[in-house]
Amino acid sequence: SAVISQKPSRDICQRGTSLTIQCQVDSQVTMMFWYRQQPGQSLTLIATANQGSEATYESGFVIDKFPISRPNLTFSTLTVSNMSPEDSSIYLCSVDLAGRSGYTFGSGTRLTVV
Amino acid sequence: TQLLEQSPQFLSIQEGENLTVYCNSSSVFSSLQWYRQEPGEGPVLLVTVVTGGEVKKLKRLTFQFGDARKDSSLHITAAQPGDTGLYLCAANFGNEKLTFGTGTRLTIIP
Repeated sequence: SAVISQKPSRDICQRGTSLTIQCQVDSQVTMMFWYRQQPGQSLTLIATANQGSEATYESGFVIDKFPISRPNLTFSTLTVSNMSPEDSSIYLCSVDLAGRSGYTFGSGTRLTVV
Repeated sequence: TQLLEQSPQFLSIQEGENLTVYCNSSSVFSSLQWYRQEPGEGPVLLVTVVTGGEVKKLKRLTFQFGDARKDSSLHITAAQPGDTGLYLCAANFGNEKLTFGTGTRLTIIP
């Protein structure tokens, strides 16, 4: 299975600012996925990031708010822009190396917006 | 929109007891996974089931995939404090995306 390094692990940010979360994988992967987990809840897919193309966003998420970069097959970033307290969540990246047989997740970024 | 409902949402039991967690959908899924998530960590894959009626065992955990491929269950025998965590089912509905269930927060009391 893949090893994913995600950072920062946590941050406290002022409203109106932006935070960029980094995700580094130890293997080359075609697709990387970004999820949000609001306090006490399950995971919601934000977007799918393919190398060399624009990310595909799920309903309710837009590129202006959550811009994503995917410069190569092992790295991706998610930016949470113009933050408000409602953006306080855990953000997780994940990859699926073996084709639908199981996803590997980073340890998450716990974001608190004050 | 495909939804995965898990029940119960919260479960707190004594060490040594047995429990079952359920995952249900109104739509057929091509495969289903169970994950466990502990505080400060991402979800960790426990099992993947792909065949209707399939049963898989992982030590004290038994996973079942319904014949109609619209439901699954996780049974834990003789629960231990180390089983405490958030249990998530996640399904693939025939595309590249994984949809997560609503989650079951399990607490095992020593």
